[in-house]
Amino acid sequence: GAVVSQHPSRVICKSGTSVKIECRSLDFQATTMFWYRQFPKQSLMLMATSNEGSKATYEQGVEKDKFLINHASLTLSTLTVTSAHPEDSSFYICSAGPGSTGEQFFGPGTRLTVL
Amino acid sequence: GENVEQHPSTLSVQEGDSAVIKCTYSDSASNYFPWYKQELGKRPQLIIDIRSNVGEKKDQRIAVTLNKTAKHFSLHITETQPEDSAVYFCAASLSYGKLTFGQGTILTVHP
Repeated sequence: GAVVSQHPSRVICKSGTSVKIECRSLDFQATTMFWYRQFPKQSLMLMATSNEGSKATYEQGVEKDKFLINHASLTLSTLTVTSAHPEDSSFYICSAGPGSTGEQFFGPGTRLTVL
Repeated sequence: GENVEQHPSTLSVQEGDSAVIKCTYSDSASNYFPWYKQELGKRPQLIIDIRSNVGEKKDQRIAVTLNKTAKHFSLHITETQPEDSAVYFCAASLSYGKLTFGQGTILTVHP
């Protein structure tokens, strides 16, 4: 299957700082990537759709100025959590697929802890 | 938007028994239905998927059935093993990949 990587795998930061998470498709090009958030013992909730070369599409209730998404190339999307607060602590996972078939491959996730 | 409901939230079976997890979806335009297995702290792993043009798909001990009229689909695991213990998620999507997940089912297989 296709490979998606994420970096970092774990980050701890102080409240008020910004954190950048990278999502890369390693063996295919992805014009679209997706960012999900997963709180402990809960399901994955879609935050936004990252579109290469254009603005991201955010789900209802997700603050676009707080969660900045950049998809500058066909293999890289970044999610920046700005002015992070403890309630932003969560597991952030990206996904991408090599075609229009719908099959998605997930990155290993980033565990964010905001102190 | 799409809404996916998943039941049960927890499922406990004895090794060798079968396990069934059910999901319903709301958007009749959805046409791709994957199932994921997630172990603690790990990424979701695709275990089987089905598209709207078929009613059933099987891969060894795992099968998925789809009823488009009723808008529900189910995961069937036969001859369960302790290593099948994990959280299972269903999802629904249009072809372009945006997934709406169910709430998840914690499956525990007792030796």
